Amino acid sequence: EVLLVESGGGLVKPGGSLRLSCAASGFSIISHNMKWVRQAPGKGLEWVSSINSGSTYIYYADSVKGRFTISRDNAKNSVFLQMNSLRAEDTAVYYCAREVYSSRSYDFFDHWGQGTLVTVS
Amino acid sequence: ETVLTQSPGTLSLSPGERATLSCRASRSVSSNFLAWYQQKPGQAPRLLIYDASNRATGIPDRFSGSGSGTDFTLTISRLEPEDFAVYYCQQYGTSPMYTFGQGTKLEIK
Repeated sequence: EVLLVESGGGLVKPGGSLRLSCAASGFSIISHNMKWVRQAPGKGLEWVSSINSGSTYIYYADSVKGRFTISRDNAKNSVFLQMNSLRAEDTAVYYCAREVYSSRSYDFFDHWGQGTLVTVS
Repeated sequence: ETVLTQSPGTLSLSPGERATLSCRASRSVSSNFLAWYQQKPGQAPRLLIYDASNRATGIPDRFSGSGSGTDFTLTISRLEPEDFAVYYCQQYGTSPMYTFGQGTKLEIK
């Protein structure tokens, strides 16, 4: 069974930092591009960041560029999101998601974790 | 950036009825690279449809997707109680910047 389990969320003051982790099981992340997607309370989904299998292609939403850093450790089957200079508007549930394995450059997300709540206040 | 606009914002129907949800893109979606996700309260999104019309693994055949270009539709042929949720469309395929629609809430009438 494919599982993605996020951790590291919590309450942080504006300007503070948090590091989110996403532990994968049931598959090897080395074959997949991985994503972070967030959802502010009562709001819709917002793509945050992507990283390819070799960490050579990394992308960020404009709203987090320069403040967030995505990384991965294929040996530990994990993905991370370092969040610095946090703002109130970063308050959200952060989901880790797996991009489907394919030959296409940017593809849909076939599995999602349950999310971890980050509150900036 | 392609903007996706979903309508209606809220759809009130009864079990057994047919639901039709719309997703309109601000420019043509290349190769129909459009997905639909279902999200229930307190849960993660779940993939329903990809490439505009392909059902994901394990998705019941009452769910179907259609459309091309800028206009896409998710249809639920006969609503079951567990189908009441929020539905999001998403475009992908041509840019590393993914966008989602704002969602349609399907509620019990």
